[in-house]
Amino acid sequence: DVKVTQSSRYLVKRTGEKVFLECVQDMDHENMFWYRQDPGLGLRLIYFSYDVKMKEKGDIPEGYSVSREKKERFSLILESASTNQTSMYLCASSPQEAFFGQGTRLTVV
Amino acid sequence: GENVEQHPSTLSVQEGDSAVIKCTYSDSASNYFPWYKQELGKRPQLIIDIRSNVGEKKDQRIAVTLNKTAKHFSLHITETQPEDSAVYFCAASQGSGGSNYKLTFGKGTLLTVNP
Repeated sequence: DVKVTQSSRYLVKRTGEKVFLECVQDMDHENMFWYRQDPGLGLRLIYFSYDVKMKEKGDIPEGYSVSREKKERFSLILESASTNQTSMYLCASSPQEAFFGQGTRLTVV
Repeated sequence: GENVEQHPSTLSVQEGDSAVIKCTYSDSASNYFPWYKQELGKRPQLIIDIRSNVGEKKDQRIAVTLNKTAKHFSLHITETQPEDSAVYFCAASQGSGGSNYKLTFGKGTLLTVNP
């Protein structure tokens, strides 16, 4: 079974903090993704990576950055957390079909 | 970039009825169209997918149809059961790897199957 693991299930951070969300996959997939899921807005792509050190902006990259130093790990960074970044964050990896992590519910207060 | 529209946003059916969810896409280069099911509190999981070289694919009670000319694809669930209740997402990508592989999702459809 493919396993995509996100480092935290729930996270509470203060406004202005730098936040790191980690995602690890164990299937040697080339592609990895970060989405945020909000009610009524579906899954919106923040960033994706198609290889080590390679990244592409998704539809809503503002306020976020990413890092992929190793193939199995894709990190999402909130440079200065704001309340409008309170959301569910989902990581996925794929050869083509996307396998999702369990999600991180981030609350910024 | 790709834009995926999904309708309806909510769908309520009686157990045993059929359910149809429709999606349209904008990028004619897209060639891979998966459907995901997300049960409450769980992660999205692939239920069926179709590639642009076929027009229809079926897996037991679930089928997907694709009309490349009109740039739309649909999910059909027959003989619905209460456990089919979930949010369903369609998606589209070029599926060719590298920087072209960007999986874009629709906004989702909340399907409720009433016993």
